[in-house]
Amino acid sequence: NAGVTQTPKFQVLKTGQSMTLQCAQDMNHEYMSWYRQDPGMGLRLIHYSVGAGITDQGEVPNGYNVSRSTTEDFPLRLLSAAPSQTSVYFCASSYANSPLHFGNGTRLTVT
Amino acid sequence: EDQVTQSPEALRLQEGESSSLNCSYTVSGLRGLFWYRQDPGKGPEFLFTLYSAGEEKEKERLKATLTKKESFLHITAPKPEDSATYLCAVQAAGTASKLTFGTGTRLQVML
Repeated sequence: NAGVTQTPKFQVLKTGQSMTLQCAQDMNHEYMSWYRQDPGMGLRLIHYSVGAGITDQGEVPNGYNVSRSTTEDFPLRLLSAAPSQTSVYFCASSYANSPLHFGNGTRLTVT
Repeated sequence: EDQVTQSPEALRLQEGESSSLNCSYTVSGLRGLFWYRQDPGKGPEFLFTLYSAGEEKEKERLKATLTKKESFLHITAPKPEDSATYLCAVQAAGTASKLTFGTGTRLQVML
């Protein structure tokens, strides 16, 4: 069972560069979300989607874009990376009001 | 604003030494309280969901309880493989699967 797959596992960017963090799930979950995890802070919600074609902002959406063209995929785009976006990013999916299943994260460093 | 506070930040136990982790929360209508386990370099792994005060759930050496203001994760006779960070999260009513997380308790069980 693949579950939630995130790529890449590690990434280093320079300030101003753009990139896309990939997330795919094979459980036919309608709900998908992106969190970031920083030392001393809880996981914080960036963006989420309740189904294909529907996205909404979470607690910390600035600097990030998302789209949901299929049920399986939910990429997170950084348009112009900043050092403040250095973090570990987790993608999660679930059925509505069911426990989240998390991927193993992408560790991003912005220099 | 929903808030989750976990204590202690870190806990070191001897193998077999039982203890409890605390999760205090404030939420505008609790839909569910979740406990996750996170190993280094991995995504959070779901343990329990609790929905109402008085509810208890058990899994091996772990038992989660819930009151109107806090939840406890009791660890009975822990083993070194229970070493991990334990995360608590709440979901407010009417918020799909959006979770607010605490900062976690880092548990180390020594031989």
